[in-house]
Amino acid sequence: AQTVTQSQPEMSVQEAETVTLSCTYDTSESNYYLFWYKQPPSRQMILVIRQEAYKQQNATENRFSVNFQKAAKSFSLKISDSQLGDTAMYFCAFMNPGGSEKLVFGKGTKLTVNP
Amino acid sequence: DAGITQSPRYKITETGRQVTLMCHQTWSHSYMFWYRQDLGHGLRLIYYSAAADITDKGEVPDGYVVSRSKTENFPLTLESATRSQTSVYFCASRASGRGSYNEQFFGPGTRLTVL
Repeated sequence: AQTVTQSQPEMSVQEAETVTLSCTYDTSESNYYLFWYKQPPSRQMILVIRQEAYKQQNATENRFSVNFQKAAKSFSLKISDSQLGDTAMYFCAFMNPGGSEKLVFGKGTKLTVNP
Repeated sequence: DAGITQSPRYKITETGRQVTLMCHQTWSHSYMFWYRQDLGHGLRLIYYSAAADITDKGEVPDGYVVSRSKTENFPLTLESATRSQTSVYFCASRASGRGSYNEQFFGPGTRLTVL
């Protein structure tokens, strides 16, 4: 069974600075997808970024980028120029396509951006 | 409204009562999912459905029942609510197909309290 581990329960960063959230996963599959979801206080789950395992290039979405290390099974999220609106819970998630299509989530990292 | 909706948004019930949480999506997505979110656990899969009339258990199915007679609806029933089922429940859906984006779209969540 796949597992996802987020080792940082809480983190904080100053506005305009850069922060990196860690995620590791365990799988025997070679083809899979990885995701970062953001959950602000409104509770809505928002997809931030995704990575396909067969793609070598790290995904980027504006201020958000990932460092995907397939051999190490690591998938960290870097947030540049942090903004107050980035304050949220961040969840790393894994999906193995072709099966149940379910997401396996880590326990989350609570990020606080301080002014 | 287009998208994925859940009702009710908040529910308080008593131990032993039957409760049904509703989920409706307008995209005709094949896959639908129910997750529960608890502090310290992230999101865990309760049940999922690959198509109408096809459902399967997830990680924490005990005490829950689902049905899917129509593609757009996926109700979750707690047959006899227990305090341990106090949680936030999220419904999600995604399209099928290898060429799809593989993004799961989440509803706004239902906060259920069992007294």
